[in-house]
Amino acid sequence: SAVISQKPSRDICQRGTSLTIQCQVDSQVTMMFWYRQQPGQSLTLIATANQGSEATYESGFVIDKFPISRPNLTFSTLTVSNMSPEDSSIYLCSVVGPQRQAGGSRTSTDTQYFGPGTRLTVL
Amino acid sequence: AQSVSQHNHHVILSEAASLELGCNYSYGGTVNLFWYVQYPGQHLQLLLKYFSGDPLVKGIKGFEAEFIKSKFSFNLRKPSVQWSDTAEYFCAVRSGGFKTIFGAGTRLFVKA
Repeated sequence: SAVISQKPSRDICQRGTSLTIQCQVDSQVTMMFWYRQQPGQSLTLIATANQGSEATYESGFVIDKFPISRPNLTFSTLTVSNMSPEDSSIYLCSVVGPQRQAGGSRTSTDTQYFGPGTRLTVL
Repeated sequence: AQSVSQHNHHVILSEAASLELGCNYSYGGTVNLFWYVQYPGQHLQLLLKYFSGDPLVKGIKGFEAEFIKSKFSFNLRKPSVQWSDTAEYFCAVRSGGFKTIFGAGTRLFVKA
């Protein structure tokens, strides 16, 4: 299994500022994703964090607003830029993995794991 | 684009009642199907999943789900709910590329 930690766990921010959320996984994983869960709603996929290249964003989400980095197979950051109260949400890091060594070839498990989330409140 | 529909947003049951939560998806290709649970104040946990094989899958805590391909459905069931099953339940669908789409969720409240 993969253990995911996120920092910060929660924050209260002022309108117009930016917050960077960190996601750390205890093992190398194939896929990393960022989701948003707005109050009373389901999870919405923001983007797929690609290692060594630009993230792939879902419809309605853009890089200028939610820049993402993924420098290696265990770490990613999501920045919420120029925040407004509408950005108040729980932001979740999710991974599919970890990669396993099996008979010399690398395979990935199909299980998707979720981090504990970062609860963001924008005033 | 694929989508996931959960029929009920809120369900209230008494303990020992049977539970069935509906889930339908729209996608014509091969899919992987999941049910996740989120207990109050906790993060998402996987209840069960279907990839292939027997369309009736059993998960943790006595939950099961049946994949009916012709109906594009993956309904969650439990014969007898407990107060501790109070939570929000999410149906999710994954197609190629590991991208998972979630339904709107169903809030279940079990009366003791």
